Amino acid sequence: RKEVEQDPGPFNVPEGATVAFNCTYSNSASQSFFWYRQDCRKEPKLLMSVYSSGNEDGRFTAQLNRASQYISLLIRDSKLSDSATYLCVVTKYSSASKIIFGSGTRLSIRP
Amino acid sequence: EAQVTQNPRYLITVTGKKLTVTCSQNMNHEYMSWYRQDPGLGLRQIYYSMNVEVTDKGDVPEGYKVSRKEKRNFPLILESPSPNQTSLYFCASSSGGGSYEQYFGPGTRLTVT
Repeated sequence: RKEVEQDPGPFNVPEGATVAFNCTYSNSASQSFFWYRQDCRKEPKLLMSVYSSGNEDGRFTAQLNRASQYISLLIRDSKLSDSATYLCVVTKYSSASKIIFGSGTRLSIRP
Repeated sequence: EAQVTQNPRYLITVTGKKLTVTCSQNMNHEYMSWYRQDPGLGLRQIYYSMNVEVTDKGDVPEGYKVSRKEKRNFPLILESPSPNQTSLYFCASSSGGGSYEQYFGPGTRLTVT
């Protein structure tokens, strides 16, 4: 079983739709959680950190469920520019410097 | 401009010919890391460094070496490249380990024939 698992997609949704991704992790003592965005053949960039209390940044909402060991990303009113691959990232407990990436969920927004 | 730079951006080489991919950051970050990205496998951590002269293995260190003699530089060395090291490589830095935002370089696409 992978340490961090994501649905690879692709998710193909119309502009303006709401879309949600989940990411599960296997180590219950994992410390830090993030969502990164990666455009085709480009470097990943931080989208948002994920906090236990949940956090929102404009159209994006991230949540952490430690009991069920998953994090989620919700995108409301999706734009064409949201088309990208979304990477879930977890920091391993045994070493705060070991970082595990999910394999990513591809999102395609159609006009 | 705050950035992470990698060179070369593209490299085609032959099996066994030693190569070095350079990585440099201008943000005075203590933490630096190397990843490889392969289809269906996502990014996997190769090596990381918490500070000068402090390096440690990630999840896929076999066939790679690193050094951290200066804070800004973290080169990745392939002593004897093999075709299974054909991949897209990213260097990243952050102000303090995995709990902080990673800033990535533009990537190096390596092909080993």
